[in-house]
Amino acid sequence: EAQVTQNPRYLITVTGKKLTVTCSQNMNHEYMSWYRQDPGLGLRQIYYSMNVEVTDKGDVPEGYKVSRKEKRNFPLILESPSPNQTSLYFCASSLGQGNTEAFFGQGTRLTVV
Amino acid sequence: GENVEQHPSTLSVQEGDSAVIKCTYSDSASNYFPWYKQELGKRPQLIIDIRSNVGEKKDQRIAVTLNKTAKHFSLHITETQPEDSAVYFCAARIWGGGADGLTFGKGTHLIIQP
Repeated sequence: EAQVTQNPRYLITVTGKKLTVTCSQNMNHEYMSWYRQDPGLGLRQIYYSMNVEVTDKGDVPEGYKVSRKEKRNFPLILESPSPNQTSLYFCASSLGQGNTEAFFGQGTRLTVV
Repeated sequence: GENVEQHPSTLSVQEGDSAVIKCTYSDSASNYFPWYKQELGKRPQLIIDIRSNVGEKKDQRIAVTLNKTAKHFSLHITETQPEDSAVYFCAARIWGGGADGLTFGKGTHLIIQP
């Protein structure tokens, strides 16, 4: 089954404790992105990757890191999480540049206390 | 960068009536306009999309129209049903801009009243 898988689904952590949210897709998609969803703000892009070893900042990259060592995986790293990073996070992948559908993972609800 | 405005933020309609959600975009280079539906607690899922070389597209009870000159596009849902209740997001993407990311509107919470 074609899918985008994120882990964990739920995470509660403390300020400053490094964490990683994993994202994996099995569709051989070139493009992968991370979004955060906050009430009243919609979905905002954090980082994206156009291919292996190619990443770039989205609209709200501060406090986040990503890596793309393999085509299928695109982890999101919070080196020192803060309470304002409490949010619902979605990973998405798409076949390539242009008019192609983005497939979303099931989401990760992160709470930083 | 691209900016997408979406209205209304909340829309309540009687079951069986039509619903219309409108979006405007700022960058005339945008050429792909998808609509996503997000049910409570679930991921956004594509319901319909339109390319900039098309003015209208229909899929059963849903349709999307695009006015490139005015830089706005709309989602139309006819004969609304309870399962249409969800948050709907419009989005825009620039082809060849070097960025894969979609720019989303802030969403419309559609409520279908029985």
